[in-house]
Amino acid sequence: AQSVAQPEDQVNVAEGNPLTVKCTYSVSGNPYLFWYVQYPNRGLQFLLKYITGDNLVKGSYGFEAEFNKSQTSFHLKKPSALVSDSALYFCAVRVRSNDYKLSFGAGTTVTVRA
Amino acid sequence: NAGVTQTPKFRVLKTGQSMTLLCAQDMNHEYMYWYRQDPGMGLRLIHYSVGEGTTAKGEVPDGYNVSRLKKQNFLLGLESAAPSQTSVYFCASSYVSADTQYFGPGTRLTVL
Repeated sequence: AQSVAQPEDQVNVAEGNPLTVKCTYSVSGNPYLFWYVQYPNRGLQFLLKYITGDNLVKGSYGFEAEFNKSQTSFHLKKPSALVSDSALYFCAVRVRSNDYKLSFGAGTTVTVRA
Repeated sequence: NAGVTQTPKFRVLKTGQSMTLLCAQDMNHEYMYWYRQDPGMGLRLIHYSVGEGTTAKGEVPDGYNVSRLKKQNFLLGLESAAPSQTSVYFCASSYVSADTQYFGPGTRLTVL
């Protein structure tokens, strides 16, 4: 079975500091990995995805994520956080052979203080 | 291009009442999905559809039914609402099954 873990319920950082949101996954095959962001009272917005190729994936709003197969991780990073990055972040995984099911982590609330 | 839209945005039901949530997408996507979001649990797949006229069960299908009579619409029905169905419901669509899913704004449902 596929699953995703986001070990931190909350991440608090100061504006201008680096931001990291952690994600680890468990699948039996090769994964497709996604990050989504949800602002209050809004739907989920796609940030970036890893399908194959370069382990460093760049996405929207200055975010990037690194796929690490040996550690089964896909951490989301931003070099310099903004107050407007405060939101709920979800990591999700799909196994290529099980292509209809997207498994989401529980989410990490990011708060960036001015 | 409106993307994925959902109606209604909010609804309050009494236990035992029924309702239908409507999802519409204008991106010509084949795949459509219904999720529910509960605090601390992420999103869980209720039902999905791989094309017009087809539906299938996801992780948590009990108490829900769906229909996809037109490619652009995906309806989620609750025949007899229960308090355990209080949640935020999201619809999503994708061009192919492995592609990025695009989400609607959500419907907040409260069952009293």
